[in-house]
Amino acid sequence: EPEVTQTPSHQVTQMGQEVILRCVPISNHLYFYWYRQILGQKVEFLVSFYNNEISEKSEIFDDQFSVERPDGSNFTLKIRSTKLEDSAMYFCASLRDIQETQYFGPGTRLLVL
Amino acid sequence: DQQVKQNSPSLSVQEGRISILNCDYTNSMFDYFLWYKKYPAEGPTFLISISSIKDKNEDGRFTVFLNKSAKHLSLHIVPSQPGDSAVYFCAARDPSSGTYKYIFGTGTRLKVLA
Repeated sequence: EPEVTQTPSHQVTQMGQEVILRCVPISNHLYFYWYRQILGQKVEFLVSFYNNEISEKSEIFDDQFSVERPDGSNFTLKIRSTKLEDSAMYFCASLRDIQETQYFGPGTRLLVL
Repeated sequence: DQQVKQNSPSLSVQEGRISILNCDYTNSMFDYFLWYKKYPAEGPTFLISISSIKDKNEDGRFTVFLNKSAKHLSLHIVPSQPGDSAVYFCAARDPSSGTYKYIFGTGTRLKVLA
């Protein structure tokens, strides 16, 4: 069964460093999302992406964040200058059609020191 | 502003009994609801869904009930099994944004005791 994959599974970085989180959505999916979950808190929407552009972003998704679909298969989330409070699990999700269910990847655990 | 609430952070149930997980929401425009199951350090796994035009959806041991007037949904697991122990999130789809993002509740940790 097709699934959303994410790499790396874990990343540790120093505050102020740039990180890139990678996702490979299910191949025929058209809508892509990033969510995050800070430890012990709920899953929060960050950004949605469709037709090669951001369709919606939350207030969390400030200028330090960017997304890209560089090659038609990968979907990346970049954090330019990480802060301690960026430490969280980051989940990528995709769906084929708006009327269908979002499928989530296994997540990347980011720890900013 | 918590639009989706799961007021019980945890629930313990004996194996074989029914587990009932509850979720309340505030926005009557939400049109689709999902329950996800999540194990530690893993991504949410889709469990069952319900459209706002229905009041019940059943899939094996899992049944979701929707009460639109009360803005309440519940997930019933019968019979509960130890492997069901996980955190359960309800999520509501918000169509007003155009991107149909999901808004999650805070989760309920279910522990099924053998």
